[in-house]
Amino acid sequence: GENVEQHPSTLSVQEGDSAVIKCTYSDSASNYFPWYKQELGKRPQLIIDIRSNVGEKKDQRIAVTLNKTAKHFSLHITETQPEDSAVYFCAASRNTGKLIFGQGTTLQVKP
Amino acid sequence: KAGVTQTPRYLIKTRGQQVTLSCSPISGHRSVSWYQQTPGQGLQFLFEYFSETQRNKGNFPGRFSGRQFSNSRSEMNVSTLELGDSALYLCASSQGTSGDTQYFGPGTRLTVL
Repeated sequence: GENVEQHPSTLSVQEGDSAVIKCTYSDSASNYFPWYKQELGKRPQLIIDIRSNVGEKKDQRIAVTLNKTAKHFSLHITETQPEDSAVYFCAASRNTGKLIFGQGTTLQVKP
Repeated sequence: KAGVTQTPRYLIKTRGQQVTLSCSPISGHRSVSWYQQTPGQGLQFLFEYFSETQRNKGNFPGRFSGRQFSNSRSEMNVSTLELGDSALYLCASSQGTSGDTQYFGPGTRLTVL
């Protein structure tokens, strides 16, 4: 069935360092890969997404890479700041409206 | 534009009861998806409605059902509640075409005692 594996489950970095979160998906027909950030007690918020016809996308300090052959995609956050601390979820989709989420990564950025 | 709203924000029920949760999408959005979020299982897809029709369905028992109205507002119902149904229920709306961004509501926190 459809599955998304996300690693690591927790990640602790020093402020200013980079953070990388990796996801692997099982459904080769997946064509849309969003990343959501969820702060404690709040709703998930989209931070970046990538479609299958693109290998990399960048938005300021955040970038996502996609390797369709290997069926994995990664989130890269550079120059981390304490406000980046949150739970990050990757997701994959082949059908509109149905997102399959990874288990989440708790990122802690230490000042 | 106003964001996705959900009511109620908190609910406490007892086993065996049923519950109805409501979601109002962003104006102009025709798709509403529902997700269950728990610490153990993470975010799991329940179903999606588009133009009043269920378009996608996850792997949840038949006790979980939903519907969508002509104004795109959606409701989900859980019958014969079990302790394991305690969770944050999130809805998300989108325009409904492939690869659309899904915007989440604040969720309804359901506690089953």
